[in-house]
Amino acid sequence: NAGVTQTPKFQVLKTGQSMTLQCAQDMNHNSMYWYRQDPGMGLRLIYYSASEGTTDKGEVPNGYNVSRLNKREFSLRLESAAPSQTSVYFCASRRGWDSQTYEQYFGPGTRLTVT
Amino acid sequence: KQEVTQIPAALSVPEGENLVLNCSFTDSAIYNLQWFRQDPGKGLTSLLLIQSSQREQTSGRLNASLDKSSGRSTLYIAASQPGDSATYLCAVCGGSNYKLTFGKGTLLTVNP
Repeated sequence: NAGVTQTPKFQVLKTGQSMTLQCAQDMNHNSMYWYRQDPGMGLRLIYYSASEGTTDKGEVPNGYNVSRLNKREFSLRLESAAPSQTSVYFCASRRGWDSQTYEQYFGPGTRLTVT
Repeated sequence: KQEVTQIPAALSVPEGENLVLNCSFTDSAIYNLQWFRQDPGKGLTSLLLIQSSQREQTSGRLNASLDKSSGRSTLYIAASQPGDSATYLCAVCGGSNYKLTFGKGTLLTVNP
């Protein structure tokens, strides 16, 4: 049981390049989330998928797109990377979106630098 | 808009000391509150989840309390150890989409 996995672990991009961050969970969770973590800003929600087939914007969605490929996988795409997107990106999952008993589980993160 | 504040931002204690980390939130209409631990360069590990109807939760040397009406939670760590050194994050779950709002964390250092 690997939990939440993310690839790649590290990435360096030039301004304007595109890339997709991959996330998968093996806990049969319905809800998945993408966050970014910046010094002094805490974790901020980019996009989330309450259940397979749905996606919604979070607090900071500009410059990103997401795809809920299936129940296990949720990818985050940067179409034209900008230095402001330099950050650590975390994927998380939760059993369901609408219960007060469900914990959120996090992946190990992807450290992205845009030059 | 929900805001979560954690005080202090950093804390350094000698090994063996009992300590308390604080978390406050502005909107008391929450479903639950979760405490996480984050080691340097790593992801977040869930420590405890307190439902809105609960007052406290315990796991080993950790005890978390919740006072929803006053918008406060505390994480009590008993007999601290160097291995407890990490950043501790508090997050509240609320709103129509049950989203988490995070505090900026408390960086704990336990000195041998």
